[in-house]
Amino acid sequence: SQTIHQWPATLVQPVGSPLSLECTVEGTSNPNLYWYRQAAGRGLQLLFYSVGIGQISSEVPQNLSASRPQDRQFILSSKKLLLSDSGFYLCAWSVGIGNTIYFGEGSWLTVV
Amino acid sequence: DAKTTQPTSMDCAEGRAANLPCNHSTISGNEYVYWYRQIHSQGPQYIIHGLKNNETNEMASLIITEDRKSSTLILPHATLRDTAVYYCIVRKRDTGNQFYFGTGTSLTVIP
Repeated sequence: SQTIHQWPATLVQPVGSPLSLECTVEGTSNPNLYWYRQAAGRGLQLLFYSVGIGQISSEVPQNLSASRPQDRQFILSSKKLLLSDSGFYLCAWSVGIGNTIYFGEGSWLTVV
Repeated sequence: DAKTTQPTSMDCAEGRAANLPCNHSTISGNEYVYWYRQIHSQGPQYIIHGLKNNETNEMASLIITEDRKSSTLILPHATLRDTAVYYCIVRKRDTGNQFYFGTGTSLTVIP
């Protein structure tokens, strides 16, 4: 069966520091991969999605970036974090066009 | 993708059926209705989806009106563990891969 893992689960980072969140999917090939963010008490915001290695689409301009160095690996990065980057970050995957999306456990980021 | 409208919050007594409504009056013929839920501090969990026929699985039932402009998610016997935010999403399946979430309905199951 397919599984998705993301890490770290929680982190506290100072303003201006870099960020790297990693997500991997097992049990499937060529998945579509997604990064969402959820600010405290808010809905889910789609940040990036990828349909293949090296193919990244950005939904919202900001100081975050995403990369997909391998088929089942998706990385969310920032060179310099802002206070407004705090939130709950979720990686997700789907297979094929328009099929159901499945989420990972999430990563809590607090920028101080 | 069509926009959805859901009540902000609802309460339900434990053991009773929870009926969560969703309006999607601009839905088009090739758009599906999806339901997810998110328990606090966890990733959203897929519940069910449908096109125009009613659907049922081990978690819930989905009732879609004949004109497809609204739907209802039914949890037949709500438990305390069903307390969560429930999202109704309408999206095409034949083009694009993005899922856009609204703010959902916060369901509280009361003992």
